[in-house]
Amino acid sequence: GDSVTQMEGPVTLSEEAFLTINCTYTATGYPSLFWYVQYPGEGLQLLLKATKADDKGSNKGFEATYRKETTSFHLEKGSVQVSDSAVYFCALRNDYKLSFGAGTTVTVRA
Amino acid sequence: NAGVTQTPKFQVLKTGQSMTLQCAQDMNHNSMYWYRQDPGMGLRLIYYSASEGTTDKGEVPNGYNVSRLNKREFSLRLESAAPSQTSVYFCASSGRTSGRGNEQFFGPGTRLTVL
Repeated sequence: GDSVTQMEGPVTLSEEAFLTINCTYTATGYPSLFWYVQYPGEGLQLLLKATKADDKGSNKGFEATYRKETTSFHLEKGSVQVSDSAVYFCALRNDYKLSFGAGTTVTVRA
Repeated sequence: NAGVTQTPKFQVLKTGQSMTLQCAQDMNHNSMYWYRQDPGMGLRLIYYSASEGTTDKGEVPNGYNVSRLNKREFSLRLESAAPSQTSVYFCASSGRTSGRGNEQFFGPGTRLTVL
């Protein structure tokens, strides 16, 4: 079945540091890929998405590229802020079903 | 637009008690979903409803029932709560069930503790 593996956390960074969260997937067919973010005490919000190979999703300074050859969708941000502290989930969608990774907790210190 | 709303936000139950979690969306979406979130496991799909009048099992349906009351509302019922159902429950909705890039919108969650 479909599955998503993302790097374990927690990740702690200083402000303005570079952030990478690795995500790889296993799926049949041609899934769409997503990054969701969950701020403390809130539900999940879509951060960015990519629907086909080589697509790059971007939002709020975050980027991720759909790499079919390496089955990856790594999340990057060049300069993080304290407000980026959250849990980040990689997910894939095949037909109706969203399959999530376990989540990576990111804490950014001032 | 309120988006997806859930009630209650917090609930404590004793083993064997029953309760219903409510979810409503005002985006005129056809599809609605119930997930549970457990530490280190991401979100797992409990049930979903592709359209009004239909419901289907997801990955972890045992111990739960659902009702798609109308297009706006999708409730999740625990008939006899067990400690293993202690979790955070999220409702979500989307314009349709399938389709490339079709986004799901999430509610704020219900934190349930079963003693």
